[in-house]
Parts: sequence; structure tokens; C-alpha cells
Amino acid sequence: GQQLNQSPQSMFIQEGEDVSMNCTSSSIFNTWLWYKQEPGEGPVLLIALYKAGELTSNGRLTAQFGITRKDSFLNISASIPSDVGIYFCAGHFGGGSNYKLTFGKGTLLTVNP
Amino acid sequence: EPEVTQTPSHQVTQMGQEVILRCVPISNHLYFYWYRQILGQKVEFLVSFYNNEISEKSEIFDDQFSVERPDGSNFTLKIRSTKLEDSAMYFCASRQGGNQPQHFGDGTRLSIL
Repeated sequence: GQQLNQSPQSMFIQEGEDVSMNCTSSSIFNTWLWYKQEPGEGPVLLIALYKAGELTSNGRLTAQFGITRKDSFLNISASIPSDVGIYFCAGHFGGGSNYKLTFGKGTLLTVNP
Repeated sequence: EPEVTQTPSHQVTQMGQEVILRCVPISNHLYFYWYRQILGQKVEFLVSFYNNEISEKSEIFDDQFSVERPDGSNFTLKIRSTKLEDSAMYFCASRQGGNQPQHFGDGTRLSIL
């Protein structure tokens, strides 16, 4: 099946620092999504990307859909303690209307106050 | 904001017993999904459901699994004879249609003893 390679696996940063994480795929994706998961909760949608080259922001978060459609990155600027959590990239590829998602393995972000 | 709700939050079941996980998708959504997340691993697709039938299922979704939309609001996942390896977080998701993204519930933690 499709595989998404997400890196880094974990990050430990100081409050106020910027963060970058990315996902790559061997196949073309039609949609890239970034979710955040906190303990005991489900994934919460942060940003959705639908077109190659698209750059979208949500507050301090910025994500881009790579031109080749095989990669995406998520940046968090000026991190704060509540940014702590696991960030997942997810993508949908192929035709049809099912839109099943393939997830990356996640990036665990720890922010030191 | 509307959300996907799942019950129970934690289910403990003896191996071999049947279990039913319940979900109430967002009310105007048409596509429904179940995903599984084994502890420490990525989120994996199980099944998608549209227009009262399964539209796609993964290899994980074998004959022990079934889904149902018994009324206009609930969407259930049944595991007929649970195995130890079924222990995981099970997430329900729904989306409206078109290219709208999936929204996830907070999950049911299933523990098989």
C-alpha cells in the first residue's frame, strides 16, 4: 500500500522557536492534510491542501502542497507550550470518492517553556 | 462547532466476545469511516461507508468486522469475535462530500483481555 514518510519522528524545542516537519510519498497525492493529536483525543484537522504549490496558513501554522504532489511540509512559528502533541500528515490519492486517508507515522512535538 | 461523537470512550472485553463501537457522525455528512490506531503506531484505514453500503475496506477489515448505519444518526463498527490484536484506539470520521476533509471523533480505546 501507499506509504508516507514523515520526519522528524520527534522534536524537543524551546518556547518561541519555529518548527518544521514534512512528509514525502513515492506516489502522487491529490490532497494533503495535517492533523494534530493530543493524548486521549482524536486527530484534529489543522490545514487542508488541495492543489500542487498551494500554501495555506492557519494562525501560526503554514503548510504547503509540494509542486511534485509527492510532499508537504508544516511550519509552526513562535511555538508555545500548547503546541505540544503529535502532528500527522495524511493524504488521499487516486480516483473515486472514498477519500480514504493514508497517514504518516507522526511527529511528536515537545515544547519546553 | 459540530463534532463526531464516539461511545464508549473505553471498552474492555474478553477475547472471543463481540463488541460494538458507536459513532454519531456530523449531521449533514454523507461519508463515514472507521480507522484504527494501535498504541504508538500510525492511524490505519479500516472501512469507508456511503449511501448505506461499504465503498472500500482494507485488508484489516476481515469477516470479523462489520459496519452498519441502523438509523439516521448512528454508525457502528462490530467486531464479532475479538482477538488480542484487536486492542487499539478506534476512530470514527465523517465528511460532507466533494473534497471536504474528514473530521474525527475522540476515539474508543478497545482493550481485549
